[in-house]
Amino acid sequence: SQQGEEDPQALSIQEGENATMNCSYKTSINNLQWYRQNSGRGLVHLILIRSNEREKHSGRLRVTLDTSKKSSSLLITASRAADTASYFCATPGGKLIFGQGTELSVKP
Amino acid sequence: GAGVSQSPRYKVAKRGQDVALRCDPISGHVSLFWYQQALGQGPEFLTYFQNEAQLDKSGLPSDRFFAERPEGSVSTLKIQRTQQEDSAVYLCASSQMSGIFYNEQFFGPGTRLTVL
Repeated sequence: SQQGEEDPQALSIQEGENATMNCSYKTSINNLQWYRQNSGRGLVHLILIRSNEREKHSGRLRVTLDTSKKSSSLLITASRAADTASYFCATPGGKLIFGQGTELSVKP
Repeated sequence: GAGVSQSPRYKVAKRGQDVALRCDPISGHVSLFWYQQALGQGPEFLTYFQNEAQLDKSGLPSDRFFAERPEGSVSTLKIQRTQQEDSAVYLCASSQMSGIFYNEQFFGPGTRLTVL
């Protein structure tokens, strides 16, 4: 059973475009985390947003959180081919509960 | 080491064989987690250790799965009498803090298990 559901399941864009991925979750959370997974570097933590935050930035990443709708979005600006990966949202509760992921493909 | 390491990276087992997967967490990390990731899915939680204590094993799919961390560092996930549905990537993660509310987890590269 997975807590989060990412949307879309797959996204293909051109280099330089922005990519937006959404995550919906089921239960109350203290924070929500986004992870990236590719074959080269495995699963890597990108950013964490706490339940009392609405927006957070880290480099080209922008994360929003709407606890009333139990949803979060991850925006990657000025995408690069190296951003090609699967992106997961995860909610903690001692353990991380991942969604199924959004597979992002950035074409040069 | 600089990160979480896992061995072997790939394991092929015949159905019915026992396998043991090893995880070396980042030195000093209190918490250690095991996840199972099926093809095309997100990782699913298996079990969690705080030091040597196994605090949560609610994700272990059956009693054929067993994990230990006897000295609070290296952990082993053992699967007895493997079955084809056990084929997956097994991920290990560690984190510095022992609290449940915030934990950036650092993941190893995983062990890809294929059961024939």
